[in-house]
Amino acid sequence: GEKVEQHESTLSVREGDSAVINCTYTDTASSYFPWYKQEAGKSLHFVIDIRSNVDRKQSQRLIVLLDKKAKRFSLHITATQPEDSAIYFCAASKDYAQGLTFGLGTRVSVFP
Amino acid sequence: EAAVTQSPRNKVTVTGGNVTLSCRQTNSHNYMYWYRQDTGHGLRLIHYSYGAGNLQIGDVPDGYKATRTTQEDFFLLLELASPSQTSLYFCASIRDRGNTLYFGAGTRLSVL
Repeated sequence: GEKVEQHESTLSVREGDSAVINCTYTDTASSYFPWYKQEAGKSLHFVIDIRSNVDRKQSQRLIVLLDKKAKRFSLHITATQPEDSAIYFCAASKDYAQGLTFGLGTRVSVFP
Repeated sequence: EAAVTQSPRNKVTVTGGNVTLSCRQTNSHNYMYWYRQDTGHGLRLIHYSYGAGNLQIGDVPDGYKATRTTQEDFFLLLELASPSQTSLYFCASIRDRGNTLYFGAGTRLSVL
């Protein structure tokens, strides 16, 4: 089955700088790549996604890049703010109805 | 925003005990999922369902049963709980393929 590797387990960034989280996947049939955010003691909520028919997507300060040849996708958080501190999970799926395969998560800490 | 309600929020049981975790969504979502979250393993899919009466096996189903009694209600059953099932359990749902996955607040289960 699909395996998703999330390369950074922790990231520490200065407020205002950018944070980049990288993920790779194994199944070439995967076509949907969402990102979720989990704040301390809370549940996960959706932040942004990208599908395999595009290679870049932006939503406000979040940018997702997809490189299908390398089976790699990344989340860029620009102009980081303290409220961006959280654990971020990447995920992949080839058939969304069958559920997502998640990475292990990246703990992002934004310091002043 | 879609609402997914889990109960109980916390549960303590003993080895060999019988536990039922409940999940309800009132969003008319077709697909529902049970995940467990563990440090070092991220989120792993236990069981999922396409609709009332339907049940699909996820990636880590051993020791778990599930039942989808209505479109709204999805239950996870641990009939002989073991310490290895101590975890944070999340229920999630989506309406149709390709839509955002909405997570409940989670149930923290401890098996002593």
